[in-house]
Amino acid sequence: GENVEQHPSTLSVQEGDSAVIKCTYSDSASNYFPWYKQELGKGPQLIIDIRSNVGEKKDQRIAVTLNKTAKHFSLHITETQPEDSAVYFCAAKGNSGGGADGLTFGKGTHLIIQP
Amino acid sequence: NAGVTQTPKFQVLKTGQSMTLQCAQDMNHNSMYWYRQDPGMGLRLIYYSASEGTTDKGEVPNGYNVSRLNKREFSLRLESAAPSQTSVYFCASSELGRTEAFFGQGTRLTVV
Repeated sequence: GENVEQHPSTLSVQEGDSAVIKCTYSDSASNYFPWYKQELGKGPQLIIDIRSNVGEKKDQRIAVTLNKTAKHFSLHITETQPEDSAVYFCAAKGNSGGGADGLTFGKGTHLIIQP
Repeated sequence: NAGVTQTPKFQVLKTGQSMTLQCAQDMNHNSMYWYRQDPGMGLRLIYYSASEGTTDKGEVPNGYNVSRLNKREFSLRLESAAPSQTSVYFCASSELGRTEAFFGQGTRLTVV
């Protein structure tokens, strides 16, 4: 099955600086890579995703890059703000012809924005 | 605009007790999932249901059973709770053929 590794487990950056979280996956058939943000006491919420036919996607201060050859993808947050403090999860999903067999998640990165 | 609703939010069980975690979604999604979240482990898939009437095992199904009651509801049952099942449980749903999953707020379960 799929295996997703995520680094670092904790990341502390100064407000206004950029943050980068990296993930690798093992199954070359995976074709969908979402990023979720989880705030304390809440469920994960999708913030951005990328499919295997795209190398980069951007949404305001958030961007995701995908390198299919190396099987890794990254989340980039620029101009970090206090509300960016949360746990971030990467995930991967294979092509199961319907997408119903769930996501494989990384173990999460606790992002701390220092004022 | 409820999305995915889980009940209860918190529960304490004694070892050997049974309980059912409830999940309902109002987005008319076909697919529903149960994950557990443990510190340092991320989220792991317990069971999923691709559509009404079907269920399949995920990565960590042992000790659990599920029921897809109808299109809206997907329940998770612990027949004989064990301390190893202490975790936060999340239900999620997605549209079949689409990949974005929507999560509930979670159920924090402690087994003593």
